[in-house]
Order: sequence, then C-alpha cells, then structure tokens
Amino acid sequence: SQTIHQWPATLVQPVGSPLSLECTVEGTSNPNLYWYRQAAGRGLQLLFYSVGIGQISSEVPQNLSASRPQDRQFILSSKKLLLSDSGFYLCAWRRGSPGNTIYFGEGSWLTVV
Amino acid sequence: AQSVTQPDIHITVSEGASLELRCNYSYGATPYLFWYVQSPGQGLQLLLKYFSGDTLVQGIKGFEAEFKRSQSSFNLRKPSVHWSDAAEYFCAVVRNSGGSNYKLTFGKGTLLTVNP
Repeated sequence: SQTIHQWPATLVQPVGSPLSLECTVEGTSNPNLYWYRQAAGRGLQLLFYSVGIGQISSEVPQNLSASRPQDRQFILSSKKLLLSDSGFYLCAWRRGSPGNTIYFGEGSWLTVV
Repeated sequence: AQSVTQPDIHITVSEGASLELRCNYSYGATPYLFWYVQSPGQGLQLLLKYFSGDTLVQGIKGFEAEFKRSQSSFNLRKPSVHWSDAAEYFCAVVRNSGGSNYKLTFGKGTLLTVNP
C-alpha cells in the first residue's frame, strides 16, 4: 500500500532563517505531488505541484520554493522565513493517470518567531 | 473560476443526532467532488468521493453524500453522530478532471462540535 511521510512534524524557526520541509511517498511511482498551506482563517491554499522530477508549478508568488530531486521526494524550502510563512503545511500525492484521488500526509506545523 | 462554498463555518449537534454539512460548487464541467475530514493537528483524511454514476455515495465512518447537479451541491450526511466525529470537514472539487493540471480547490471548512 502507499504511504506518505512528512517531516519534521513541528518546527519553530526565527524570522530570516532558512526552511526545509520534506515529503516522501512510498509504494508508488511517478506520483503527482502537492504542497498545500493551511493558515488561520485562510483555508487550504495550493502552493506547488509537480508531475515529475524537476517539474514544479507554482500557484502563488511567495517566499517559498519547491524541488523534486527524486521521483517520490518533494521538498519545500525558503531562504529567509517571514512571520507570514507560519502555518500548517500539507504534502499530498495522487497516482499518475489514471489516479483521481489526492491523499494527504500528516502535516508539518511551522511557527516563525 | 472554480469555487467551493461551505456556508456553515461552525455546526454544533448532540451525539446521536443526524448531521448534514452543506457544500456548493461552481464549476463549468462535470466535477470530481470530495469530502475530507481533519482532526486537530492532523492531516486530511478522505471520507468519500464522487466521480460519476450513482449520485449517492457512501464513505467511511458511516458518512454519505449526495451529488445534485441541479443545485450544484454535494452535501455530506450522517444519520447518527458520534462524539469522535468532532472535527473540521472540507469539501473540495478538482479544478481539471484530467491531465497534468489536476488540483483540488477547497471550501473554507465546517467545524463540527458534538455535545454529549
């Protein structure tokens, strides 16, 4: 069966510090991968999605970037965190076509102080 | 642009009572529709989904949802709520139903409180 792992689960970082959140999917190949952010009062916002290694689409301009160095690995990064980057970050995946359901990881809490 | 509306931000029900969470979507083509549930501090768990066919779909934990094209709705129901159902519920629609542009658009969520 397929599983998705995110780490770290919780992170407290000072303003201006770098960020790296990692996501790995097991039990499938060539998944579509997604990063969502859930901030208070703003619902779930799609940040990035990827259909393959090195293929990243950004949904909103922001202080964050994403990379996909391996087929089942998706990394969310920032060079300098802002207070507004605080939130709950969710990685998600779906099986490459035909695959119509998107499954979510357990999330990573980021607090920027 | 596609959108999903969950009119109720917060609903409180008594344990054992029936539940209906509303969801309306705006989408030009035949949508793929989903309900997810999120417990505090957790990720999203898929409750059920609708792609085509029978408009009444059954999900996990005793939930069901009915797709009504004429009303652009996909309401979630449960006949008897349990205390463990207290969580936040999200309705979502896929923006494009195929290809590489397959992305979920979410409603703002409905927080469910269950009174003993």
